[in-house]
Amino acid sequence: QSVLTQPPSVSGAPGQRITISCTGSSSNIGAGYDVHWYQQLPGTAPKLLIFGNTNRPSGVPDRFSGSKSGTSASLAITGLQAEDEADYYCQSYDSSLSVEGIFGGGTKLTVL
Amino acid sequence: EVQLVESGGGLVQPGRSLRLSCAASGFTFDDYAMHWVRQAPGKGLEWVSGISWNSGRIGYADSVRGRFTISRDNAKNSLYLQMSSLRPEDTALYYCAKASEETVTTSLDFWGQGTLVTVSS
Repeated sequence: QSVLTQPPSVSGAPGQRITISCTGSSSNIGAGYDVHWYQQLPGTAPKLLIFGNTNRPSGVPDRFSGSKSGTSASLAITGLQAEDEADYYCQSYDSSLSVEGIFGGGTKLTVL
Repeated sequence: EVQLVESGGGLVQPGRSLRLSCAASGFTFDDYAMHWVRQAPGKGLEWVSGISWNSGRIGYADSVRGRFTISRDNAKNSLYLQMSSLRPEDTALYYCAKASEETVTTSLDFWGQGTLVTVSS
């Protein structure tokens, strides 16, 4: 069971907007650690999609956006496209015992 | 161009040891923290370990603490993961990932393609 909780799956039609939630606790997201998001296309290595809660690396379309509030974060994708079909993971750090990296369980996005 | 190339994976019996390596190029290696992340077949990502630029700060997941040791050689632009007392549940694709800053608690902005470790008798 992951320390960060994500819905196992979400779906949407092309052109629609979807959001993926990432719920943590007071020892990770709520402690002030940034949340980062990764996209993993089938058979490939993960790719950084959002860093520092809201920032996009160069080359990531502005259809992707991130937000953080309290002990949770969200990834939003607008204008959904077929090529967005992938697994999405949130990531942060936890200091409950020692500082450890943590990932959400991942969310499978299906474009209908 | 940033490149991370993992090596050292393979089939190993339970209880044995294995050492993974990651050769880095295309960036100033000793300016950045580095991490190992694994993914069991058909499962999600699991953070394994991270090391700061100067090895001054190191962290491990509970699942590997005491069995795995992360290290780096900045002169050789290389990252390592010494794995001992391997268990079947350690079977996974192991990714080497570059941190975006010198400290451990940042995003992972580049990833290698992974090296597969299979623990089985």
